[in-house]
Amino acid sequence: DAKTTQPTSMDCAEGRAANLPCNHSTISGNEYVYWYRQIHSQGPQYIIHGLKNNETNEMASLIITEDRKSSTLILPHATLRDTAVYYCIVHRGGSYIPTFGRGTSLIVHP
Amino acid sequence: EADIYQTPRYLVIGTGKKITLECSQTMGHDKMYWYQQDPGMELHLIHYSYGVNSTEKGDLSSESTVSRIRTEHFPLTLESARPSHTSQYLCASSGTGGTASGANVLTFGAGSRLTVL
Repeated sequence: DAKTTQPTSMDCAEGRAANLPCNHSTISGNEYVYWYRQIHSQGPQYIIHGLKNNETNEMASLIITEDRKSSTLILPHATLRDTAVYYCIVHRGGSYIPTFGRGTSLIVHP
Repeated sequence: EADIYQTPRYLVIGTGKKITLECSQTMGHDKMYWYQQDPGMELHLIHYSYGVNSTEKGDLSSESTVSRIRTEHFPLTLESARPSHTSQYLCASSGTGGTASGANVLTFGAGSRLTVL
């Protein structure tokens, strides 16, 4: 599976949009982009995934560039409860095993 | 409501003790995983399973062992715990099927935090 690069940390004001970038320049055609988040020391929680089209669900939006080499997770109205570590991984499913990097520590401040 | 359960949530034991961390899921997922995570650090894969009677070692070498006798159950065992085993252990599972359907999404348990004195 392709490796990803994320900023170590970011901060965002409550109520504003949080835009978390992820680079995955070696992604292959059949690999999906997944986002998870981990609040404090709980188990990571799935947020969203996509292949090449932009995706939106009740938690967030995922914007994938046309060349698929990068993506952005958007939390449209960040709250204090969105403070967490956000992981971007690329994964082709099947017999492949997902691996996690250090992720981005997002701090939402009042 | 959690569909994957880990017990115990917290465990403090002495060196040399044998411990088993339990992980059970009710989703019928074939694939299950154990990750190890130290505070502030990334998750490291230590074991995974594709199904019953299938177990594989992950990227991070671990002295623990696992078994998969039933689809829903994936326990992790340390025969003789040491202080270096102090960490959080996270269990996860995922289904099979097409990626677009979300079958490969990982569902994690709440974790088992182990402290070996």
